[in-house]
Amino acid sequence: AQSVTQLDSQVPVFEEAPVELRCNYSSSVSVYLFWYVQYPNQGLQLLLKYLSGSTLVKGINGFEAEFNKSQTSFHLRKPSVHISDTAEYFCAVRPYSSASKIIFGSGTRLSIRP
Amino acid sequence: DGGITQSPKYLFRKEGQNVTLSCEQNLNHDAMYWYRQDPGQGLRLIYYSQIVNDFQKGDIAEGYSVSREKKESFPLTVTSAQKNPTAFYLCASSKRDPTDTQYFGPGTRLTVL
Repeated sequence: AQSVTQLDSQVPVFEEAPVELRCNYSSSVSVYLFWYVQYPNQGLQLLLKYLSGSTLVKGINGFEAEFNKSQTSFHLRKPSVHISDTAEYFCAVRPYSSASKIIFGSGTRLSIRP
Repeated sequence: DGGITQSPKYLFRKEGQNVTLSCEQNLNHDAMYWYRQDPGQGLRLIYYSQIVNDFQKGDIAEGYSVSREKKESFPLTVTSAQKNPTAFYLCASSKRDPTDTQYFGPGTRLTVL
């Protein structure tokens, strides 16, 4: 079985400050890793994903994430946030062997203060 | 433009009534999914379908039903057996490849009065 833990339910940050949203996962099989973003009252959209290769993955809107296999983590970072980054962020994993079930974390709400 | 549409955006239902949420995609994806989202709980999988005329229960299927008669469509019925149906419902689709991104619709907010 797989599980995803997002350690912070809410992260307040000042505009132009750096931010890190933490994600740890547990899985007995190999998984692909994803970060999605959800703006208020909308569906989710993909920020970035790790499939293989370089452990540092760059996504849209200036976000990046680093896969750490030994720590089973996939933390999301941005060096300088904007008001428009205010949203909820979801980490997710999907087993190699399954074409069906993606497992989502409970989400981290990022709020940007001017 | 390719994408996923969900209708209606807001839906109100009286207790004891069944209601059907629409989900249509024109991305030519084989797999489709229904999620329920409650505050602080992330997304929970209700049902999913990998191919026409076939679907499987997710983690919280009780009180819900689906059909997959066409590749493009995956409607969800919230029945009167669902004890607490007020929530935000998200439909998604993807290719069957596990590396593929799931694409989400804009969601339907269901409120039971």
